[in-house]
Amino acid sequence: DAKTTQPNSMESNEEEPVHLPCNHSTISGTDYIHWYRQLPSQGPEYVIHGLTSNVNNRMASLAIAEDRKSSTLILHRATLRDAAVYYCIPFYYGGSQGNLIFGKGTKLSVKP
Amino acid sequence: DAGVTQSPTHLIKTRGQQVTLRCSPKSGHDTVSWYQQALGQGPQFIFQYYEEEERQRGNFPDRFSGHQFPNYSSELNVNALLLGDSALYLCASSPGRRGAGELFFGEGSRLTVL
Repeated sequence: DAKTTQPNSMESNEEEPVHLPCNHSTISGTDYIHWYRQLPSQGPEYVIHGLTSNVNNRMASLAIAEDRKSSTLILHRATLRDAAVYYCIPFYYGGSQGNLIFGKGTKLSVKP
Repeated sequence: DAGVTQSPTHLIKTRGQQVTLRCSPKSGHDTVSWYQQALGQGPQFIFQYYEEEERQRGNFPDRFSGHQFPNYSSELNVNALLLGDSALYLCASSPGRRGAGELFFGEGSRLTVL
């Protein structure tokens, strides 16, 4: 399983962009990079995933390094509701493993 | 469209007791996974059910068992409860085993063991 390294915590100001980094230097060529977040007192919530190209959806953007050893989740304008723990998780769709392996994630605080 | 629902939301048990937690997956999903989340930690995979069978299992003892019903709902049973079993138990569903990259989670069942 690919190991991931994320900062324990980050702070942001409301309405400013946030860049959440993740190192996954041992990722295999077939692992997608997934991001989940967990708001206080809730279960984790899918945010975005990608393989090689940068990806955008209504929640966030995912920038993947060319060598795929790192990625960055970008929240374009942080809101108070974005305060959560963000998890970066490699996952291989084609394998027998059907479960996500969560680390400790990055706790994002958003200041008004 | 109802998402993943879990019950009960909170419960308190004493050491040695047994507990059953329940989960209804999101409509159209046939795979259910269970996770344990201790305070301050990320969720840890317990097991996954598909076609009413346990297909994968994480590093949890046999005291943890489960079941999946024909309607895809699932139960998690924990026997001989220990203080260390106190945690948030999360159920997640997906459309098929290989779709587990995009899991839908419930809000969890908070178990306290005294």
